[in-house]
Amino acid sequence: QLQLQESGPGLVKPSETLSLTCTVSGGSISSSTYYWGWIRQPPGKGLEWIGTIYYSGNTYYNPSLKTRVTISVDTSKNQFSLKLSSLTAADTAVYYCATHRGDGDLPRWFDPWGQGTLVTVSA
Amino acid sequence: QSALTQPASVSGSPGQSITISCTATSGDVGAYNYVSWYQQDPAKAPKLMISDVSNRPSGVSNRFSGSKSGNTASLTISGLQTEDEADYYCASYTSSSTWVFGGGTKLTVL
Repeated sequence: QLQLQESGPGLVKPSETLSLTCTVSGGSISSSTYYWGWIRQPPGKGLEWIGTIYYSGNTYYNPSLKTRVTISVDTSKNQFSLKLSSLTAADTAVYYCATHRGDGDLPRWFDPWGQGTLVTVSA
Repeated sequence: QSALTQPASVSGSPGQSITISCTATSGDVGAYNYVSWYQQDPAKAPKLMISDVSNRPSGVSNRFSGSKSGNTASLTISGLQTEDEADYYCASYTSSSTWVFGGGTKLTVL
């Protein structure tokens, strides 16, 4: 059974770059069955899809974040990562990684999710 | 980006049925049967409740069901229980090869 765990700093300064890693256990990140996604949730607000990656490196990004986001995969470590640059207070949120899956060649739902990690952007 | 509109809140009494709607501002929801629903308890990660409009994953109560008509998807919870009180989010694939979440609905069980 797949399990995902986010890791990274809890506090980042404005204008800096956030780096988070999601470690996958219980399955291979190189599986053709799965894609891998990042979602965030500002305090007291709703969910926002950030982006999705396939083990081959194909990526899909939220247009509103595309200029600041990079998602990559490290198959040797069974991990995928998120980098978000030019941070502002508006990027303060709980960041979740999730398996993005679906039958066939298009991911259609997120399951399971990591527990989430709170990232605060503040000087 | 496309948007999915949900009511901010719904409420119901134990034993009743409630429905949460998810309406697309463009044709995304209507064009694909790729709507999913998530339940989120406070300070917890979201949990998948429905995939592909109406498919219920193993382990999810059959009191939860999903449907779609035109540009509006719906989540229905029958036989409401106090444990169902949570936030609920819809999500959909869009024609721009992106994914979008609804704004979320807070369900209160009175």
